[in-house]
Amino acid sequence: NAGVTQTPKFQVLKTGQSMTLQCAQDMNHNSMYWYRQDPGMGLRLIYYSASEGTTDKGEVPNGYNVSRLNKREFSLRLESAAPSQTSVYFCASSPGAGYTFGSGTRLTVV
Amino acid sequence: AQRVTQPEKLLSVFKGAPVELKCNYSYSGSPELFWYVQYSRQRLQLLLRHISRESIKGFTADLNKGETSFHLKKPFAQEEDSAMYYCALSTQIQGAQKLVFGQGTRLTINP
Repeated sequence: NAGVTQTPKFQVLKTGQSMTLQCAQDMNHNSMYWYRQDPGMGLRLIYYSASEGTTDKGEVPNGYNVSRLNKREFSLRLESAAPSQTSVYFCASSPGAGYTFGSGTRLTVV
Repeated sequence: AQRVTQPEKLLSVFKGAPVELKCNYSYSGSPELFWYVQYSRQRLQLLLRHISRESIKGFTADLNKGETSFHLKKPFAQEEDSAMYYCALSTQIQGAQKLVFGQGTRLTINP
């Protein structure tokens, strides 16, 4: 089983460009999450989706939007990228206890 | 508010020495705590969950509600233990399990 798959693995954007980070899970989990990982700050929750059809803001949602396309897929969109969004982004899914993480997307905004 | 504090950003010990990674939490309810590990350039993996009380790769962690701590311990460190370790507190919100992470401790095991 693939678990949680994220694409792309690496991306460089120019300030103001937009992009969508894709995440898919094949474990039939209800809940999905997007975190960003920054040195010295741990992982911070951007958005989450408790179940198909619902999304909610996390700790640091500004500058991001999400779509829970179906039970498997949860995408994160940056409408107008800023250098402060340079980070490693992790998607995760959960059946209700414990997360399974994707391998991450390393995003650089120049 | 929920908060997890890992006071040590960096921890370096010699192979064979005991290891303790500190984690303190702030939560008004009954806490559910986890340790996650991230090896170099890999995804985060669940290491321990306090409810299961398992020992994984020689690591153990005991929840101390009086001291609001969940320190991770291993009696004899191995070089392959070098990694980033995150303590996390689980809270239920609107049907989802939200994890609040500490800042992380980078553990380096010296040969």
